[in-house]
Amino acid sequence: GAVVSQHPSRVICKSGTSVKIECRSLDFQATTMFWYRQFPKKSLMLMATSNEGSKATYEQGVEKDKFLINHASLTLSTLTVTSAHPEDSSFYICSARETSAHYEQYFGPGTRLTVT
Amino acid sequence: DAKTTQPTSMDCAEGRAANLPCNHSTISGNEYVYWYRQIHSQGPQYIIHGLKNNETNEMASLIITEDRKSSTLILPHATLRDTAVYYCIVRPNNYGQNFVFGPGTRLSVLP
Repeated sequence: GAVVSQHPSRVICKSGTSVKIECRSLDFQATTMFWYRQFPKKSLMLMATSNEGSKATYEQGVEKDKFLINHASLTLSTLTVTSAHPEDSSFYICSARETSAHYEQYFGPGTRLTVT
Repeated sequence: DAKTTQPTSMDCAEGRAANLPCNHSTISGNEYVYWYRQIHSQGPQYIIHGLKNNETNEMASLIITEDRKSSTLILPHATLRDTAVYYCIVRPNNYGQNFVFGPGTRLSVLP
């Protein structure tokens, strides 16, 4: 199946700094990518949907100025956590929807963010 | 909100079949049943999906009831590496719909 990568796989940052997470579709084009957040022992929660070349759509309760999403190409979306705080520590997972008739969605391996 | 209900947890003996149930009584005619699993600290992994016919692939079988209100994922010979959280998701197979994850079933395969 298609492969989605995330970088970095884990990151530790200090409170107040910003962190960028990359999501790439390696062997397919993805017009739409999704960003999820998962707290320990909880399920995945959709944060935002990004479409290539346009502004992301954020779920209710997710601050768009804190979680900046850029989807500049058909194979790359980035999530920047600005002014990170310890409560932003979580597992961030991206998903990419294949731009084809099947509209299959593939998930990345996740990025573990720890804010100290 | 997720449109499915699953048992919180299940155990299965290694080498035996694992049968994971899912209820989706409000499923619409254009919604597919998808199964994903998530091994600890990894992203979700696609297992199988179907509309109304039973499906089988190299990983599992999906049995959907005739009224489509419930389904069962079958792992025919569970191994320790199948220990994971299994998510049953219903979703229309068209552009614009994402996956809504419920709490899933935590399957523990025991030696």
